[in-house]
Amino acid sequence: GAGVSQSPSNKVTEKGKDVELRCDPISGHTALYWYRQSLGQGLEFLIYFQGNSAPDKSGLPSDRFSAERTGGSVSTLTIQRTQQEDSAVYLCASSYPSSGGAATQYFGPGTRLLVL
Amino acid sequence: AQKVTQAQTEISVVEKEDVTLDCVYETRDTTYYLFWYKQPPSGELVFLIRRNSFDEQNEISGRYSWNFQKSTSSFNFTITASQVVDSAVYFCALSDVNQAGTALIFGKGTTLSVSS
Repeated sequence: GAGVSQSPSNKVTEKGKDVELRCDPISGHTALYWYRQSLGQGLEFLIYFQGNSAPDKSGLPSDRFSAERTGGSVSTLTIQRTQQEDSAVYLCASSYPSSGGAATQYFGPGTRLLVL
Repeated sequence: AQKVTQAQTEISVVEKEDVTLDCVYETRDTTYYLFWYKQPPSGELVFLIRRNSFDEQNEISGRYSWNFQKSTSSFNFTITASQVVDSAVYFCALSDVNQAGTALIFGKGTTLSVSS
């Protein structure tokens, strides 16, 4: 079946502009995660959605970052007033609901963001 | 605090050599999950294995094997008879079920280069 898809695959923007990154999870997966991968910080958790529950935003680095998930499926990560330090690969992952314990997360190909 | 340490930043081997990638974790929880992911040059994170803290049996899958030792908080990964296609960055990850649902805490990764 289809895996997690993300768009765009690459995005170049100017400092101060807003960007939107999209994630389409695997069908049937109710949990969706955003991570960021950068050279200096490695892989960092950003935000987590589970079904219709309020998202856990504890990993968002600043209030310039926000995310939403419409209809329990597609998610959009928005970065406002981008800064050069936002340059990274943004990865989305999804998983089945887990009755106990951590379900396996399946990752998309990522969006490579470059802020000039 | 939860932490994953992959002390080996880079490893280079020649084809057919065996190689072990080390992973040491820290957590206060008695229930947790450990994962290994592979990130080939294409960039997508590929799931390899999930192991819960109550299952200390070693696992073998083809040329891959994993050794879980709770006494030393380690979850090492061995590739037997390595091949060029094994060249990738390998990440060990910990899921702390008490933090942000089941968000993954990643190590910094080990870059494996297999030459012919």
